[in-house]
Amino acid sequence: DGGITQSPKYLFRKEGQNVTLSCEQNLNHDAMYWYRQDPGQGLRLIYYSQIVNDFQKGDIAEGYSVSREKKESFPLTVTSAQKNPTAFYLCASTRDRENTEAFFGQGTRLTVV
Amino acid sequence: AQSVTQLDSHVSVSEGTPVLLRCNYSSSYSPSLFWYVQHPNKGLQLLLKYTSAATLVKGINGFEAEFKKSETSFHLTKPSAHMSDAAEYFCVVSLYNFNKFYFGSGTKLNVKP
Repeated sequence: DGGITQSPKYLFRKEGQNVTLSCEQNLNHDAMYWYRQDPGQGLRLIYYSQIVNDFQKGDIAEGYSVSREKKESFPLTVTSAQKNPTAFYLCASTRDRENTEAFFGQGTRLTVV
Repeated sequence: AQSVTQLDSHVSVSEGTPVLLRCNYSSSYSPSLFWYVQHPNKGLQLLLKYTSAATLVKGINGFEAEFKKSETSFHLTKPSAHMSDAAEYFCVVSLYNFNKFYFGSGTKLNVKP
C-alpha cells in the first residue's frame, strides 16, 4: 500500500542537540511538506519542496533545515537554534504543485528535555 | 490574503445527535477546501474536499459539507454522531497552483454516550 512513513513515532533529545526526523513516501508525489503542530494552533508550515533538489521556507523555518536529494525522501533536521522544538511534527505530500489533496504521515512527537 | 477560521474550538454532542462544525474562510482566489480528521497522536485523514464542482460534498463516515460562496463558509455536518467520531477536525484551504495549505486551528469533537 502506498503512503507516507514518518519515523520514529516518539523522539526524545537533550537540549542543544540536533535531531533529524525521517519522512518517506512511496506515492510518487512531487511535492512534500513539513508541518509543526502545537495545541490550539493548527498546523504551521516549516518547509516544503515541489521537486527534487529544491525546497522553500514556510512560515516558521527558523531553526530547521531540510534536504530533498530523492523524490521519496524529505528529512527534517531540528537544530539547536530552534527555541521551542518540543512539538508534534507532520510530514505531508501532494501529487504535484496543483491543489490536490494532501496525504499525511502519522507524525513524530519530539520532546526536548 | 488567505485565512481559515474554525468558529468553535470544542463541540460536544450526544451519540445519535447531529454534528455541526463551522468553518469560514477568506481567499482572494477560488479556493479548494478540505476537512481532515485527526485522532490522538495520529496523522490527518481526509474526510472530504471541495474543488469547484458540486457545492454539497459527501465524504467518508457519513460526513458532508456545503460550500457557500456568499457566506464564505464550508461547514461540516453529520446527521448522527457516533462515539468513533470523537477527534479533532481541521478545515483547510488551498489555492490552485500555489502549493500551500492554510489550516484552521481545529475543532475538538466530543461525543457523549
